[in-house]
Amino acid sequence: DADVTQTPRNRITKTGKRIMLECSQTKGHDRMYWYRQDPGLGLRLIYYSFDVKDINKGEISDGYSVSRQAQAKFSLSLESAIPNQTALYFCATSELLAGDGTDTQYFGPGTRLTVL
Amino acid sequence: AQSVTQLDSHVSVSEGTPVLLRCNYSSSYSPSLFWYVQHPNKGLQLLLKYTSAATLVKGINGFEAEFKKSETSFHLTKPSAHMSDAAEYFCVVSVRGSYIPTFGRGTSLIVHP
Repeated sequence: DADVTQTPRNRITKTGKRIMLECSQTKGHDRMYWYRQDPGLGLRLIYYSFDVKDINKGEISDGYSVSRQAQAKFSLSLESAIPNQTALYFCATSELLAGDGTDTQYFGPGTRLTVL
Repeated sequence: AQSVTQLDSHVSVSEGTPVLLRCNYSSSYSPSLFWYVQHPNKGLQLLLKYTSAATLVKGINGFEAEFKKSETSFHLTKPSAHMSDAAEYFCVVSVRGSYIPTFGRGTSLIVHP
């Protein structure tokens, strides 16, 4: 089974609808992230969480909210979807390695969201 | 502040020829640098990372990268391309103590038979 899972994998919705994207992980990592990927723009950070009680905005958080329900679960919500939120969304996890000082991120398979 | 620039949006090679994907970075502090690969319809996977140990870093599938502080570069190379290397590649920089990585815009590697 995959270590980082995302549901749904594909979603088509209409402008103004509220939707939720879910992420679950079995890696036991404290840190979780939500990114969106647009062609030619790479990955941009929406929100990140370093533990259950810690939620932080990324560079493009407007129009999005998140919930960290447990160490293993991190959900992304679009309160009122708009067409320019059409993108590929990735969840990722990481663990700070003592003595290493860097994080390797582990990514889910992505959710392709289309807003009509 | 940190930033990363991938100098080519697309690189096209023939199977069996060398691969060079270029990445320059900017960082106020000692950086950690990563290369990730994204195959079609898949998530990103770590290829290799630099963490201030050896400047020449070897990764999976025959890829390697060299950290050059004087040139602020971290180019990815492979001696001989394989069809299965066709994918999107991302260079990533992270500053120690921050751990919020910054992604480059990606380079699409196309491998011709």
